[in-house]
This record gives sequence, C-alpha cells and structure tokens, in this order.
Amino acid sequence: KAGVTQTPRYLIKTRGQQVTLSCSPISGHRSVSWYQQTPGQGLQFLFEYFSETQRNKGNFPGRFSGRQFSNSRSEMNVSTLELGDSALYLCASQGQGYEQYFGPGTRLTVT
Amino acid sequence: AQSVTQPDIHITVSEGASLELRCNYSYGATPYLFWYVQSPGQGLQLLLKYFSGDTLVQGIKGFEAEFKRSQSSFNLRKPSVHWSDAAEYFCAVSVAYGNNNDMRFGAGTRLTVKP
Repeated sequence: KAGVTQTPRYLIKTRGQQVTLSCSPISGHRSVSWYQQTPGQGLQFLFEYFSETQRNKGNFPGRFSGRQFSNSRSEMNVSTLELGDSALYLCASQGQGYEQYFGPGTRLTVT
Repeated sequence: AQSVTQPDIHITVSEGASLELRCNYSYGATPYLFWYVQSPGQGLQLLLKYFSGDTLVQGIKGFEAEFKRSQSSFNLRKPSVHWSDAAEYFCAVSVAYGNNNDMRFGAGTRLTVKP
C-alpha cells in the first residue's frame, strides 16, 4: 500500500496570508490526525478527523481549521499566518489498529 | 494529568555500543505504547508497539522495548547501534475510549552516534 502523502512538502508564506495543506491517508484508513512540530514545543496535536467529522481537537486557536473529504483525504488551513506558525506540519493516518502512520510533513516558513 | 516523559533530551553512544532510551508514562489505565523514529526533516516511522501480551516486543531495525507495568515504563533498547540509527526517537502512548484514541508524544530523545 502507498504510504501517507502530504503536499506541498515546502511552503513559504508571509505574515497575514493563509495556507492550505493537504494529506492523503493510507488507502482504507478513515482517521487522519494533524500535528504541529516545532523545536520549542515538540509535537503538538492539532485535530483528528474520522469519516468527515472532527473527532478530537487540540489546544490551538481558531485560525487553525481542517476538513476531511469523503475519500478520507484531509486538508488543514491556517488563516492570518503568524511568524510562530513556522513549523513542520505532520499528518498521520490510522486504520483499525491504534497505531498512526505519518507522512513526510509539510515544512511551512512564515516570513 | 496524563503525560509521557522521556528524561533524556540527548544521548551520545559509540557505534557498536548498546542503547537504552527511557520512557515513562502517567495514565490511569495501561495505555497502548509506541516508539517512533524521526530522521531530520522527515515524518515519524513506527518502530514498534505494545498492546498486550508479552511485555518484550520486537520492532524493526533490530530494536526492542520492554513494558514494565510496575514502573510505568516502556524503554527502547538496541544491542548494537549503527551510525544510521542517529535520529530523534519519540515515545507515544494512546488511551482508547470508544472509537476515539488520545495519543500523546514525549518530547523526544536525540541520538548521536560516534564513529
């Protein structure tokens, strides 16, 4: 099976802009989780989608949002970008088991 | 509060030496336990997992981990480290409730391998 794919891999935006990141889970996986990884804060959970519904949410401001489509692909959106949003954004998919499988990430740089 | 602790931020070992990375958790029930490895700029790769049964689990790349309930620990070990093992290692725990699972990650341990 193909792994989790994320696009784009790298992105440079300026403050105030918005950005949309995409994640395609492993075929058959219905759960997609998003994480933000920074050197200072480590891995932080953003939200999880299952069957097009947000099932869990981390402690991030409303500028961070997501959605999931009927084919389980997911997007996350960050509006009004701030310098502190610069990070590696990781997507993980989960099947019937409890382990998560991660994509390579999208490196977002906000200038 | 639920938490995952990796006490060692950075560990340096010589190539060929043995390795043990520590992980402790604080949960009300026995969670599902995982170790992941991350190379620079990459995503996380699952090394091994523990759900139940034999407390010594084998993973990929020659890694193993032992679950010790009495110590709330799930330490990762490798008998002989290779230079390619240099990476960041994350312990993760997950507690399932209904159809949901709450996965938490430790802060990570960066492994440097000396020639």
